[in-house]
Amino acid sequence: NFMLTQPHSVSESPGKTVTISCTGSSGSIASNYVQWYQQRPGSAPTTVIYEDNQRPSGVPDRFSGSIDSSSNSASLTISGLKTEDEADYYCQSYDSSPQVVFGGGTKLTVL
Amino acid sequence: QVQLQESGPGLVKPSQTLSLTCTVSGGSISSGSYYWSWIRQPAGKGLEWIGRIYTSGSTNYNPSLKSRVTISVDTSKNQFSLKLSSVTAADTAVYYCARESGYSYGCTYWGQGTLVTVSS
Repeated sequence: NFMLTQPHSVSESPGKTVTISCTGSSGSIASNYVQWYQQRPGSAPTTVIYEDNQRPSGVPDRFSGSIDSSSNSASLTISGLKTEDEADYYCQSYDSSPQVVFGGGTKLTVL
Repeated sequence: QVQLQESGPGLVKPSQTLSLTCTVSGGSISSGSYYWSWIRQPAGKGLEWIGRIYTSGSTNYNPSLKSRVTISVDTSKNQFSLKLSSVTAADTAVYYCARESGYSYGCTYWGQGTLVTVSS
């Protein structure tokens, strides 16, 4: 079964840059689109990156996505961290079924 | 702006069937190349995709839930529904409905979620 693995948690200071990784278990992560969702406590997820590196309107350009085929991973980078960025972040892709697959989520602490 | 809203009982007894409906507003459920999906999240845990339906009626389910899940669509009401049978406490979760891109399988629009507790 295809799986996506994320670090359980990351932390960084306001104003700094943080990168959250999402590693595919098999195949090529570059073959299927990756999305990233932000979820604040008590709220539904919202999209911050779609189709690997596209930002929905309203998402600041401090958020960026990339794919690294050599490590079979996707990354979400948030620059100029703000306290409001503190949330859980989930990567998402799909397998050949096509079944949607979510990463386990990463808790971002901005301290 | 498309909006989705889940509705249904918040409490279901063990072994019974969980039934939820998602009402879509701000656009026709039949327009565009989109899938209509259900996703759940147990308290303090991650997201789990349950399955999807296309307006033609074709479905895909998570293999781990496939034997218990049925997703259906009612285009006349702009709604789609989830039924999960033989529930246990492990099915207690917040259930979300979402619109999924037919191109990238990304969930662009989400409902606010509804908590379903399985308990006697």
